[in-house]
Amino acid sequence: GAVVSQHPSRVICKSGTSVKIECRSLDFQATTMFWYRQFPKQSLMLMATSNEGSKATYEQGVEKDKFLINHASLTLSTLTVTSAHPEDSSFYICSATDRASNQPQHFGDGTRLSIL
Amino acid sequence: DAKTTQPTSMDCAEGRAANLPCNHSTISGNEYVYWYRQIHSQGPQYIIHGLKNNETNEMASLIITEDRKSSTLILPHATLRDTAVYYCIVTHYGGATNKLIFGTGTLLAVQP
Repeated sequence: GAVVSQHPSRVICKSGTSVKIECRSLDFQATTMFWYRQFPKQSLMLMATSNEGSKATYEQGVEKDKFLINHASLTLSTLTVTSAHPEDSSFYICSATDRASNQPQHFGDGTRLSIL
Repeated sequence: DAKTTQPTSMDCAEGRAANLPCNHSTISGNEYVYWYRQIHSQGPQYIIHGLKNNETNEMASLIITEDRKSSTLILPHATLRDTAVYYCIVTHYGGATNKLIFGTGTLLAVQP
């Protein structure tokens, strides 16, 4: 079945650091990838949609200069949290799908980001 | 996308069928019903989806009412590992390139 890998699974860093999270589709070409954020005891909140080779589309209220998304290949998207602060601490999850095969979205196992 | 309503929580005895309801009374003709679940501290897992016919796969069955205003996810023989938050999501055709808007879901607790 479709596998989406996310790395790292957990990261702890100091305030002001920029953190990059990778999302890879391991056995299919991900023409579209999505990035979500989930705070404790809350549901997933969509942050942005990225299509391979084009700029990401951000949801209302999500700062595109704060959360940089790159989707340069059909198997890799990255989310960079720039100058992270404690309020950016959250569970970040990606999903991927192949537009051509119309697969349902498959999710990575998430990255727990803790900013001290 | 149409909004969905699910009970906040449900209990089910291990080995019994778990029936999780979802209301989507404003669903439009080209919208699909998707089910995902999220086990604690993991990413959501795809379960099943359907348009208007009932669907079954190795994980579950999806029963959609004739008017498509509600559906039920059935886990035929629940195990302790099925304890998770179950999300019912309605989205346009295929859901492949369309964003999934997660509600609060149903916390299913399978009891030994």
